[in-house]
Amino acid sequence: AQTVTQSQPEMSVQEAETVTLSCTYDTSESDYYLFWYKQPPSRQMILVIRQEAYKQQNATENRFSVNFQKAAKSFSLKISDSQLGDAAMYFCAYQETSGSRLTFGEGTQLTVNP
Amino acid sequence: KAGVTQTPRYLIKTRGQQVTLSCSPISGHRSVSWYQQTPGQGLQFLFEYFSETQRNKGNFPGRFSGRQFSNSRSEMNVSTLELGDSALYLCASSTGTNPYEQYFGPGTRLTVT
Repeated sequence: AQTVTQSQPEMSVQEAETVTLSCTYDTSESDYYLFWYKQPPSRQMILVIRQEAYKQQNATENRFSVNFQKAAKSFSLKISDSQLGDAAMYFCAYQETSGSRLTFGEGTQLTVNP
Repeated sequence: KAGVTQTPRYLIKTRGQQVTLSCSPISGHRSVSWYQQTPGQGLQFLFEYFSETQRNKGNFPGRFSGRQFSNSRSEMNVSTLELGDSALYLCASSTGTNPYEQYFGPGTRLTVT
């Protein structure tokens, strides 16, 4: 079974600074998807970014980018120019190409200090 | 486009009762997945429905069931509620085809007393 591990239960960053959240996963599949989701206090899960395993290029969405290391099974999220609104729980998630099931990590609580 | 909606948002039930939660996906989405979120177990996949058929199922007891209607709306039912069923239940919709980007609803907070 696939597993996803987020080893940082909590992280903090100063407003306007950069922070990196770590995620590792375990799978025997060669093709899959990886996601980062954000869950603010409202509890609404928001899709932040997606990475396809067959793509070598790291995904980028505005201030959010990933460092995808397939051989190391590592998938970190970098948030640049952090804003107060980035404060949330961040979940890393794995998905096989055959269906919608997401396997989530434990989450990292990000605090942004003004 | 309207997002994923879930009703009710909050629910309080007593042990032994049953409950039905509802999820309306984004228009045009044919897949609905359900997740349970608890502080102890985190986010766990319950099941996925696609075109009215259960396509995938997680490791939950048979007390947890679901269905999907022809308009893609889905319901989840939990029978004989236990205290441990207290959780945030999240519904997510996707087109049902690769890539399976899922968009989540606001959740239903179920409290079992």
